[in-house]
Amino acid sequence: QVQLVQSGAEVKKPGASVTVSCKASGYPFSSYGISWVRQAPGQGLEWMGWISGYDGKIKYAQKFQARVILTTDTSTSTAYMELRGLRSDDTAVYYCARGSSRGWFLFDFWGQGTLVNVSS
Amino acid sequence: QSVLTQPPSASGTPGQRVTISCSGSNSNIGSNSVNWYQQLSGTAPKLLMFSNNQRPSGVPDRFSGSKSRTSASLAISGLQSDDEADYYCAAWDDSLNGPVFGGGTKLTVL
Repeated sequence: QVQLVQSGAEVKKPGASVTVSCKASGYPFSSYGISWVRQAPGQGLEWMGWISGYDGKIKYAQKFQARVILTTDTSTSTAYMELRGLRSDDTAVYYCARGSSRGWFLFDFWGQGTLVNVSS
Repeated sequence: QSVLTQPPSASGTPGQRVTISCSGSNSNIGSNSVNWYQQLSGTAPKLLMFSNNQRPSGVPDRFSGSKSRTSASLAISGLQSDDEADYYCAAWDDSLNGPVFGGGTKLTVL
């Protein structure tokens, strides 16, 4: 079955960077892309960006374009999200989500989420 | 401030029918289909509805969706206690060139 397993919770200081991983299994990694979506405490969902599992093509939300780097390692079927210049308002749960075959922006499977806490 | 607008809360008693609205603009709902996600407490979101009114495999037909112009609705009939969750609408936005979400509606089953 399709599974997306994310790395564990992180505590970071303002100005630092964080990298969250998302290991996929149960499907051909190169056939689907991965999006990253975050959810601040008590808030809604916010799309950050997408990376193709096939050719590494990337789309970023304008808000995050300057601070986010998305990468993949096809040999391990793992996607990575690096967020730089962390601020307190980056404290959130970060999810990876697979893009459906019906459209990459339709998220049919989700990781369990990774809490990133930014605090001095 | 979310691009799509949802009521923050909704409620109903077991067996009732409830509806959750989602309002957008011409650049998102007005020109693209709407998807819905269900997020149970403390868990990741789950795809509940796509292309306005299509249910993924395993989603009961108690859930239905509709769209009209720049608004969409999710209806849940025969309300059950385990329907208690946050519900999010989403759509592609042509101006932002990416998917956008509503702020979420917390459904309480009384």
